[in-house]
Amino acid sequence: GQNIDQPTEMTATEGAIVQINCTYQTSGFNGLFWYQQHAGEAPTFLSYNVLDGLEEKGRFSSFLSRSKGYSYLLLKELQMKDSASYLCAVWMDQTGANNLFFGTGTRLTVIP
Amino acid sequence: GAVVSQHPSRVICKSGTSVKIECRSLDFQATTMFWYRQFPKQSLMLMATSNEGSKATYEQGVEKDKFLINHASLTLSTLTVTSAHPEDSSFYICSARERRTSYEQYFGPGTRLTVT
Repeated sequence: GQNIDQPTEMTATEGAIVQINCTYQTSGFNGLFWYQQHAGEAPTFLSYNVLDGLEEKGRFSSFLSRSKGYSYLLLKELQMKDSASYLCAVWMDQTGANNLFFGTGTRLTVIP
Repeated sequence: GAVVSQHPSRVICKSGTSVKIECRSLDFQATTMFWYRQFPKQSLMLMATSNEGSKATYEQGVEKDKFLINHASLTLSTLTVTSAHPEDSSFYICSARERRTSYEQYFGPGTRLTVT
């Protein structure tokens, strides 16, 4: 099975930095994704980590520690449009099939 | 990038009726398609995985006789919610993967189902 946890809600100020954590307990781990989802829309891909370490992509960075079952998404220079839900998803190998399982999601509110 | 479409985007139906949702990969062949359900303020829950030409694999707790999935071609999968009830009202999202070992999964825009 899988157990993927994130904080439910976070609030941060425009221009600041925010870190969204994700912990997981899974079997057959094949990678971890972060997605952004605005209300009523489909998730959009942000990052993919399969090796330990930090992946940086513009204002967004994602970190993974496989031994600790831990990841975080770092958002810098926050903008109002960054207000959205951020979903941590683990790619698992289950009985030969690779499937994506999502965490509970973190609703981020950026305030002026 | 790869595009996945869903139709309809919104649908309202009466209790007891059935409704079909289509998911299409527009510019690639999807060997595997996934169906998710998302209730308000909750995350996506995987309902089932379908591979072209074979029966769908359902997650625990998802009734295969109620949620019929067909993946008859490499570009189309359908989800039929049979005998819909108000508790089936949800946001249904499909996604598609081009190759079974590829990690890239492309999401459709979702379908908002309301059962009255």
